[in-house]
Amino acid sequence: AQTVTQSQPEMSVQEAETVTLSCTYDTSESNYYLFWYKQPPSRQMILVIRQEAYKQQNATENRFSVNFQKAAKSFSLKISDSQLGDTAMYFCAIHTGNQFYFGTGTSLTVIP
Amino acid sequence: DADVTQTPRNRITKTGKRIMLECSQTKGHDRMYWYRQDPGLGLQLIYYSFDVKDINKGEISDGYSVSRQAQAKFSLSLESAIPNQTALYFCATSAGQGNDEQFFGPGTRLTVL
Repeated sequence: AQTVTQSQPEMSVQEAETVTLSCTYDTSESNYYLFWYKQPPSRQMILVIRQEAYKQQNATENRFSVNFQKAAKSFSLKISDSQLGDTAMYFCAIHTGNQFYFGTGTSLTVIP
Repeated sequence: DADVTQTPRNRITKTGKRIMLECSQTKGHDRMYWYRQDPGLGLQLIYYSFDVKDINKGEISDGYSVSRQAQAKFSLSLESAIPNQTALYFCATSAGQGNDEQFFGPGTRLTVL
C-alpha cells in the first residue's frame, strides 16, 4: 500500500519570504511519480510541480522547487518570494500503479 | 471553456434521496476518477475508470456507484444519501502516462441533511 504524509496541517509565511512544505511517502514500487497540487479558496486543484522518481535532479518551476530525497522518501516543496496568491491548501501526491495517492494537505497562509 | 466540468456545483439534499453527480471532459483522456475531499483527510478515491468498459473500486466505494457512459462522461451516484456523505466531490482525468498530471473539475459541494 502507498501512503503520503504531510505533517504540517497549517503554516504561515510573510510575503516575499521563503517557506518549505514537508511531505514523506511510502511505497514498495520502484517506478513512481510525485506531484504537488495547490487548492486556492476557489477550490480548483492546480498542478504546481512534478518529479519523476528516477530523476536525481530536483524539479523547479519558477518560484517553486522541490527537495527530493529518494532514500529518505521525502519530497518537500519550497516556495520562494511568497506572494499573497500562494495562499492555498497544498497537497502532495504519488502516482504509482494505476492510482494517485494524496496526503492530507497543508494550509498555507501568506501574510502581507 | 473548462476542460473538466462537473454538475451541479452545489447541492443540498435529504437523507435517503438518490443523487447523481455528473462529470464531462474535453481532454480526450481515457482515465477518469472520482474523489471525495473531507477536511483533514485529503482526497480519497471512490472509483476510477480506464475506459468505457472498465470500472474499478477505490478505497471508499461503499455507498457509491458509477457509470461511464462514454469516454468523455463519468457519473457518480449516491443511491440513498446519508449525512456522512456530506463532502466536496472531485472528478479528475489523466492521459495515463506515469508523469501525466491529473486534471480536476471544479468540484461539487454536496450537503446531505
